[in-house]
Amino acid sequence: EAQVTQNPRYLITVTGKKLTVTCSQNMNHEYMSWYRQDPGLGLRQIYYSMNVEVTDKGDVPEGYKVSRKEKRNFPLILESPSPNQTSLYFCASSLSVGAAEAFFGQGTRLTVV
Amino acid sequence: AQSVTQLGSHVSVSEGALVLLRCNYSSSVPPYLFWYVQYPNQGLQLLLKYTSAATLVKGINGFEAEFKKSETSFHLTKPSAHMSDAAEYFCAVSTGNQFYFGTGTSLTVIP
Repeated sequence: EAQVTQNPRYLITVTGKKLTVTCSQNMNHEYMSWYRQDPGLGLRQIYYSMNVEVTDKGDVPEGYKVSRKEKRNFPLILESPSPNQTSLYFCASSLSVGAAEAFFGQGTRLTVV
Repeated sequence: AQSVTQLGSHVSVSEGALVLLRCNYSSSVPPYLFWYVQYPNQGLQLLLKYTSAATLVKGINGFEAEFKKSETSFHLTKPSAHMSDAAEYFCAVSTGNQFYFGTGTSLTVIP
């Protein structure tokens, strides 16, 4: 089954404790991206990757890191989480940017206390 | 920078009534346009997309959208709402290397 898998689905952590949210896709997609969803703000792109070893900042990259060492994986790293990073996070993948449909993971609800 | 504006963060319709969700975009070139739906506790799913082949686009579950370049709009419609249509709907634009989403419209269907 074609899917994007994120883990964990729910996470509560403390300020400053490094964490990683994993994302994996099994569709051989070139393009992957991370979004955060906040009430009243919709989805905002954090980082995106056009291909392996190629990543770039989206609209809200501050406080986040990503890596793309393999085509299927695109982890999101919060080196020192802060309460303003409490949000619902989605990973997505698509064949390319442009007309291609984006496939979304189930989401990760992160709470930073 | 691109932007997507969805008018109305909450829309309520009666079951069987017309659904109209509004989306306007700003872009200097015709973009690729999408509507996604999000059911509670789930990720987003594609409803339909515009890629310049036809201005009236039909999607899943009876939804359709019309691209109007002169109005820079891509409104989503469904002739008759069903209870299962209750969800959050997002309009999105793809241009350059990025996707841009609107703030979403929560659709409530009243029995």
